[in-house]
Amino acid sequence: GAGVSQSPSNKVTEKGKDVELRCDPISGHTALYWYRQSLGQGLEFLIYFQGNSAPDKSGLPSDRFSAERTGGSVSTLTIQRTQQEDSAVYLCASSLFDEAFFGQGTRLTVV
Amino acid sequence: AQKVTQAQTEISVVEKEDVTLDCVYETRDTTYYLFWYKQPPSGELVFLIRRNSFDEQNEISGRYSWNFQKSTSSFNFTITASQVVDSAVYFCALIQNRDDKIIFGKGTRLHILP
Repeated sequence: GAGVSQSPSNKVTEKGKDVELRCDPISGHTALYWYRQSLGQGLEFLIYFQGNSAPDKSGLPSDRFSAERTGGSVSTLTIQRTQQEDSAVYLCASSLFDEAFFGQGTRLTVV
Repeated sequence: AQKVTQAQTEISVVEKEDVTLDCVYETRDTTYYLFWYKQPPSGELVFLIRRNSFDEQNEISGRYSWNFQKSTSSFNFTITASQVVDSAVYFCALIQNRDDKIIFGKGTRLHILP
């Protein structure tokens, strides 16, 4: 596609439910990132996929968070048993060599 | 370890003033890439510039200019004759090599006052 696509753009969920956020990177990009951005805050790194290498999961805040990338393309970020503190914008980015291109983000609200 | 520091959390200037956003980085590698991104109120992160460690030439793009100095490990961003539309959060970022993840600074929130 022309850019990084994320879905849904908005998600409201009840505390305790599981959610899945999807990211379609730019075709051919080998690297994929997930970040979280709380209101008025910076970018919090979550996870990084690079080609066939094992993902860098060092930023995942708890074991309720997981992500996978199928076929080196689409990625899904899953949050289990959501908590109110999980409310944030979740940003996905992809890159081929260096600069990353970002999607519009998924705004997650846990009520 | 690699690190990006943007010491200025928030800056406010009056329209038409010049403003410089500071970025200081740390890296152990001799090959690395530096970036600036803009995040306007709409929320989308927009790539502005990339600079590799072997190219210290400063760059100018319209009202934007970037000053890369390896001696001080800095990659500062200047907006000349600022405009209200420049109001945004600006992030500086570093990648140590092409297989490493990008490291972002905490961002500088810039307010351009009319």
